[in-house]
Amino acid sequence: QSALTQPPSASGSPGQSVTISCTGTSSDVGGYNYVSWYRQYPGKAPKLMIYEVTKRPSGVPGRFSASKSGNTASLTVSGLQAEDEADYYCSSYSGSNNHVVFGGGTKLTVL
Amino acid sequence: QVQLVESGGGVVQPGRSLRLSCAASGFIFSRHGMMWVRQAPGKGLEWVALIWFDGSKENYADSVRGRFTISRDNSKNTLYLQMNSLRAEDTAVYFCARDVSYGSLESWGQGTLITVSS
Repeated sequence: QSALTQPPSASGSPGQSVTISCTGTSSDVGGYNYVSWYRQYPGKAPKLMIYEVTKRPSGVPGRFSASKSGNTASLTVSGLQAEDEADYYCSSYSGSNNHVVFGGGTKLTVL
Repeated sequence: QVQLVESGGGVVQPGRSLRLSCAASGFIFSRHGMMWVRQAPGKGLEWVALIWFDGSKENYADSVRGRFTISRDNSKNTLYLQMNSLRAEDTAVYFCARDVSYGSLESWGQGTLITVSS
């Protein structure tokens, strides 16, 4: 059960866009449209931001978008705001053995 | 609104057991798969276990398989995690979460800290 690969850090200035990648394999990210993205503030529970690759739960701003190509999924945060500074995690369903795998997390800094 | 409240955390010696509970409210518990996810201090999220909506199937991360057991009581709207043979590396905040679509965890508890130490 190898973790998905995310860059450890990303950054951008207010108003800019930043994209975070999440690379897996054909057994997880590439094989199923069940990629999710979470935002986590220090000491808090994660919050679902994207599910099923591109869908936003109710209440998540449209500034958050996502996509997938092959074994790599991506989260884009547009119009960066100070409140976007947090840790972001991707996850994927893995059907080969019916489990869930998370990425290592990306710390997003708003400069 | 959806609420998940974990309990049962604390300090435990290596090799001992502990049972976590997660009380659910605000949704039809028996219609949703549930999961446990943990986060070691300063580390990332790690999926631990899942259980189907009716308890008919479950699965575990390799790191806990054979030591941990996930279960649920739909009549009590409660999820459990029985943890046996605890190790120092099991030290983490344990979150319960509601699955809405093959690992899309829409609702999370606040987490409960387990510290395994002698």
